Amino acid sequence: DVKVTQSSRYLVKRTGEKVFLECVQDMDHENMFWYRQDPGLGLRLIYFSYDVKMKEKGDIPEGYSVSREKKERFSLILESASTNQTSMYLCASSLDQAGLEPQHFGDGTRLSIL
Amino acid sequence: KQEVTQIPAALSVPEGENLVLNCSFTDSAIYNLQWFRQDPGKGLTSLLLIQSSQREQTSGRLNASLDKSSGRSTLYIAASQPGDSATYLCAVRVQAGTALIFGKGTTLSVSS
Repeated sequence: DVKVTQSSRYLVKRTGEKVFLECVQDMDHENMFWYRQDPGLGLRLIYFSYDVKMKEKGDIPEGYSVSREKKERFSLILESASTNQTSMYLCASSLDQAGLEPQHFGDGTRLSIL
Repeated sequence: KQEVTQIPAALSVPEGENLVLNCSFTDSAIYNLQWFRQDPGKGLTSLLLIQSSQREQTSGRLNASLDKSSGRSTLYIAASQPGDSATYLCAVRVQAGTALIFGKGTTLSVSS
């Protein structure tokens, strides 16, 4: 079974802090994704990556950056956390760049910015 | 711009009932469509993936159909159980290599 692991289930940070969310997959997947999920807004794509050191902006990249130094790890960075970034963050991966294979998700990180 | 809609937003049924969840999308030119399940406070679990050339996919009590021309997909759940209670999301991929576009989900409650 595919395993996508997010480093924290719950995280509380303060406004202005630099926040790192980590995601690791164990199936040698090409693609990795970061979403945020908010009530009434659904899932929105922040960034995705189709290869090491490659990244593409999603629908809402403002205030975020990403890093993919190794194939299995995709990090989301909140450069200067703000209260409107309080949300559920979901990481996902898929095997192929085309998207013929299913996308698999981690359990999510519920982030609160105070 | 592709938009994905799921109606109703919530559904309650008694145990044992067969039910259908609906997903519609505005642009029929899709690459594939994926159905997910999400339990409260958890991530998404992939249920079924239908390629654009396929009409349906089945897994156990679940059957997903795809009608591209009408911009619709349905998820059929047979003999529903309380353990099926969750939010079900559909998502479409417009082209190869692009990200999924999600609907907002249907929250299903199955009572015993």
